[in-house]
Amino acid sequence: DVVMTQSPLSLPVTLGQPASISCRSSQSLVHSDGNTYLNWFQQRPGQSPRRLIYKVSNRDSGVPDRFSGSGSGTDFTLKISRVEAEDVTVYYCIQDTHWPYTFGQGTKLEIK
Amino acid sequence: EVQLVESGGALVQPGGSLRLSCAASGFTFSSYWMSWVRQAPGKGLEWVANTKQDGSEKYYVDSVKGRFTISRDNAKNSLYLQMNSLRVEDTAVYYCARGARGSDYWGQGTLVTVSS
Repeated sequence: DVVMTQSPLSLPVTLGQPASISCRSSQSLVHSDGNTYLNWFQQRPGQSPRRLIYKVSNRDSGVPDRFSGSGSGTDFTLKISRVEAEDVTVYYCIQDTHWPYTFGQGTKLEIK
Repeated sequence: EVQLVESGGALVQPGGSLRLSCAASGFTFSSYWMSWVRQAPGKGLEWVANTKQDGSEKYYVDSVKGRFTISRDNAKNSLYLQMNSLRVEDTAVYYCARGARGSDYWGQGTLVTVSS
């Protein structure tokens, strides 16, 4: 199975400042169709995960443009340009290139 | 509006069985792959199973193969997960998700607790 490794697992943040989460995969996430199926989900306490970013860098409808995704191959990043209070929660990367689809361990943003 | 409503979660003894249901609305159910994903309390996420639009293809994570069965009824816009030979480590919130690769909407989940 593809192992997804997120870092850091806990990220102290300052409101209004940028934040960045790394996600690395144990093998390339480039599919035979040429797409890279790496997504980012946000999970608030007591809620189900919500997709923010799909195929590395595509923002879902309604997702603020302060969120951006980048990367290629095995190395990916989620960036928040200016952290707002509602962003302080848990983020997961997930690959759905290879079955079984696998998740990173989650990164918890906390107020510094 | 896309809605996915899970039901059927309960407390069950090890070795027991349970059937989860997911009622879908707000989209053409028969046009989408559908999936089950689980999250153990305070833990990370695990993709459990998915099924093609017509049910002709099904995929399972190794940890549930031979014990869980995913199925769907397109006439009822419903997805199911039959869980047999349940183990303590199957304790989790089970989410119904629209899609497989590229899944975009998840339900609120139903809690399954396996304990004696």
